[in-house]
Amino acid sequence: KAGVTQTPRYLIKTRGQQVTLSCSPISGHRSVSWYQQTPGQGLQFLFEYFSETQRNKGNFPGRFSGRQFSNSRSEMNVSTLELGDSALYLCATAPTAGISGNTIYFGEGSWLTVV
Amino acid sequence: ILNVEQSPQSLHVQEGDSTNFTCSFPSSNFYALHWYRWETAKSPEALFVMTLNGDEKKKGRISATLNTKEGYSYLYIKGSQPEDSATYLCASPQGGSEKLVFGKGTKLTVNP
Repeated sequence: KAGVTQTPRYLIKTRGQQVTLSCSPISGHRSVSWYQQTPGQGLQFLFEYFSETQRNKGNFPGRFSGRQFSNSRSEMNVSTLELGDSALYLCATAPTAGISGNTIYFGEGSWLTVV
Repeated sequence: ILNVEQSPQSLHVQEGDSTNFTCSFPSSNFYALHWYRWETAKSPEALFVMTLNGDEKKKGRISATLNTKEGYSYLYIKGSQPEDSATYLCASPQGGSEKLVFGKGTKLTVNP
């Protein structure tokens, strides 16, 4: 079955612009999480959605937001882009939420460069 | 705040060597421990999810053990091959949620 699909894979934006990234989960997966990876930092949790509701949020400014649609697809948006937002953004999905033993599957990520 | 640490940060071994690395996590409020293998330009690949103290899991030449009482997990690779070169990440869910807290990874390079 198809894996986690993220689009676009690569993009370049200018400071001050906004960006929207998309994630299509594995079929049947209803939990979608987003992570940011920057050089020198580990994967940092952004937020998690389940059944169109945000369940968890990481320690990021309000410029980072997300949403989930009824088909479980998710988008994240970053407004007023800063140079420091340049990163790999990964989407991760799981069948359900709140079960620690779930295997969580990752997409290949969206590489964002802010110039 | 949950803190997950991995050591060593990087490792170079020769083809055929066996190797292991460590993931440390708080032993209190433990829910699960995830291991991932991440090759450049690919998605992180789930290797194991471990939940019980004393758990041992195996996938081919890769195995992992879990000690929740002392807060560590070991990942072992037997007879390393160049295709094992990758960054190996461990992560633990905060509060039993899908919010994974990751270590910074161990970058393994296997020289032919």
